[in-house]
Amino acid sequence: DADVTQTPRNRITKTGKRIMLECSQTKGHDRMYWYRQDPGLGLRLIYYSFDVKDINKGEISDGYSVSRQAQAKFSLSLESAIPNQTALYFCATSDHRTGNEQFFGPGTRLTVL
Amino acid sequence: AQKVTQAQTEISVVEKEDVTLDCVYETRDTTYYLFWYKQPPSGELVFLIRRNSFDEQNEISGRYSWNFQKSTSSFNFTITASQVVDSAVYFCALSEAGLTGGGNKLTFGTGTQLKVEL
Repeated sequence: DADVTQTPRNRITKTGKRIMLECSQTKGHDRMYWYRQDPGLGLRLIYYSFDVKDINKGEISDGYSVSRQAQAKFSLSLESAIPNQTALYFCATSDHRTGNEQFFGPGTRLTVL
Repeated sequence: AQKVTQAQTEISVVEKEDVTLDCVYETRDTTYYLFWYKQPPSGELVFLIRRNSFDEQNEISGRYSWNFQKSTSSFNFTITASQVVDSAVYFCALSEAGLTGGGNKLTFGTGTQLKVEL
């Protein structure tokens, strides 16, 4: 079984809809991250969390919100989706005790029409 | 602010050729980590290597090798005798080493698309 899972893997939605992307991990890591990938732009950090209830904005947090109610889960919400939020979204985890390596989920492809 | 530059957007080679992917970084930190990730056509991100700023030894893993030079702020990646299965997007990334605050956040380059043809 994968250590970092994301649901859904693919989602098509319409402008204005509320969308939630879920991330779960079984690695026991304390830190979790959400990134988005756009063609030609690499991955950019949306939000990150160093522990339960700890939330920090990343480079491109506008239009997004997150929730970290449990150590193993980190959800990303788009309150009112817009077309330029069409992208590939990745969740990642890391453990502050073992270095800076981040482990990525398989990604969620989101299309906003 | 941290920055990672991968100037090569796309590289095409013929199988068995050697290829080097360039990565140049900027940071004010004296302690930091550098990474390479591979993203095959299936889309997942595969970790390849982590290097800390105090370890400038070059590393070799099979057909892969990495050249870290602090003097030029570069962390280049070479694939020897490339194969079709090496076709992917390769990302270089940088993170601060602090355990609090900004620690662990990754700054990615824009990636290099490598195409290996028969």
